[in-house]
Amino acid sequence: AQKVTQAQTEISVVEKEDVTLDCVYETRDTTYYLFWYKQPPSGELVFLIRRNSFDEQNEISGRYSWNFQKSTSSFNFTITASQVVESAVYLCALSDYGNKLVFGAGTILRVKS
Amino acid sequence: SQTIHQWPATLVQPVGSPLSLECTVEGTSNPNLYWYRQAAGRGLQLLFYSVGIGQISSEVPQNLSASRPQDRQFILSSKKLLLSDSGFYLCAWSPTGPIYNEQFFGPGTRLTVL
Repeated sequence: AQKVTQAQTEISVVEKEDVTLDCVYETRDTTYYLFWYKQPPSGELVFLIRRNSFDEQNEISGRYSWNFQKSTSSFNFTITASQVVESAVYLCALSDYGNKLVFGAGTILRVKS
Repeated sequence: SQTIHQWPATLVQPVGSPLSLECTVEGTSNPNLYWYRQAAGRGLQLLFYSVGIGQISSEVPQNLSASRPQDRQFILSSKKLLLSDSGFYLCAWSPTGPIYNEQFFGPGTRLTVL
């Protein structure tokens, strides 16, 4: 069965620090997709990225980067020079069957000024 | 562009009362639709999903039900609410066609059962 583990329940950093959010997944399928979502205090989930299992290239988008490593079944998310407005819950998710997403428990990121 | 609406935004209901949450999507046809629940301090749990009108798949047995009376309308219901039904309910959609598409979420409904 598929499973997503976000071991970091909560992370606190000071503004402008770099922070990495960990995501470890389990699946038996060779074809699967990984996602990151941001959930600000308002509650609505905001889609950040989707990667498929055949593309292990790291992705960079501005100050955001994602490190996908199949050897360790990880899909980690790094924010460079974090900002207070980026305080939110960050959710990692996996889809390996049909349309179903399985989410991790999420990591609360607190960026302090 | 596509938008997804949910209402109400917040709801306080007594135990044993009925429930009806509505979700509508605009700007797309034949979307896949989903209902999730997020209990306090927990991740998102998929409750129901639908690939077409009248087609509902249930992921978790419980006292909730879902219906899709129209292409872009998804309704979550209960005949009698339980305390354990409290939580944050999110509706989502994904484009029809290829699976593994990203899902786009609505603003959510915060339900408190007293």
